[in-house]
Amino acid sequence: QSVLTQPPSASGTPGQRLTISCSGTSSNIGSDFVSWYQHLPGTAPKLLIYRTNQRPSGVPDRFSGSASGYSASLAITGLRSDDEGEYYCAAWDDSLSGPVFGGGTKVTVL
Amino acid sequence: EVQLVESGGGFVQPGRSLSLSCGASGFSFEEYAMHWVRQSPGKGLEWLAGISWRSNSRGYAESVKGRFTISRDDDKNSLFLQMNSLRPEDTAVYYCAKDMRNGWYRGAYFESWGQGTLVTVSS
Repeated sequence: QSVLTQPPSASGTPGQRLTISCSGTSSNIGSDFVSWYQHLPGTAPKLLIYRTNQRPSGVPDRFSGSASGYSASLAITGLRSDDEGEYYCAAWDDSLSGPVFGGGTKVTVL
Repeated sequence: EVQLVESGGGFVQPGRSLSLSCGASGFSFEEYAMHWVRQSPGKGLEWLAGISWRSNSRGYAESVKGRFTISRDDDKNSLFLQMNSLRPEDTAVYYCAKDMRNGWYRGAYFESWGQGTLVTVSS
C-alpha cells in the first residue's frame, strides 16, 4: 500500500483534458513539493513535473501540476495516444525521512 | 545526453547477496546525488536509497535498511547497490536515478532514470 494515494486508472479520448489526483498527508504533500513521473511501456520513467508545477526542459506544456492542502494534481491537455502509460506522483515524507511514491495511475486513451 | 545503464541483475536464492551497478554518462556525475528505486511485479515505484555528492550523506527506506548499501565511485562515474540477505519480496526491476541536486535529502527530484535491471529472488 502506497503512502500517496492515486486512482488506479483514468481514461479519456484524444484531445480531451485529463486530471490525475494524488492524495497525501501533512507529513508529505502538506509540507513539501510534489513531482510527477511518466512511465511508458518498455521505457525508463521520465520526470514530467517537479516542485509541484515546474516542467523540465523538453516536457510539453500540455502537462501541468498543481497542489492544494494535502492533494496534488497532474493535468494533461490535448490527450494523445502516446500518453498511454503509468503516471506516478512523489514527495518527501518527513515521518519516513525519504521520498514516497503514489501507487500509479494507468492512463488509457480511448 | 544523460545516460544511466544498470547492470548486475539476475536470479538469486533467498538469503544470498547481489551487487548492482549503474554506469553514468553525459553529465558531471560527481556533482549530483543519486538514488536507487525499484518496481516490484504489478506494483508501483519504491524509493530504496539515496547518496549525496561526495558520499557525504546516505539514506535508506525502512524496507532495506541494514540489508542494502548504496555507494558511488566518482572516478568511474558509477553507482552501486550492495544487496544482502535477499528476500522473495525484493524481486523487482531496479532503477538508478539522477537527482537534480547535489544532496538527496528532503525532496523527490528524480531527473533522469535508467532502463532498469531485473532481480529475481526465488528458491
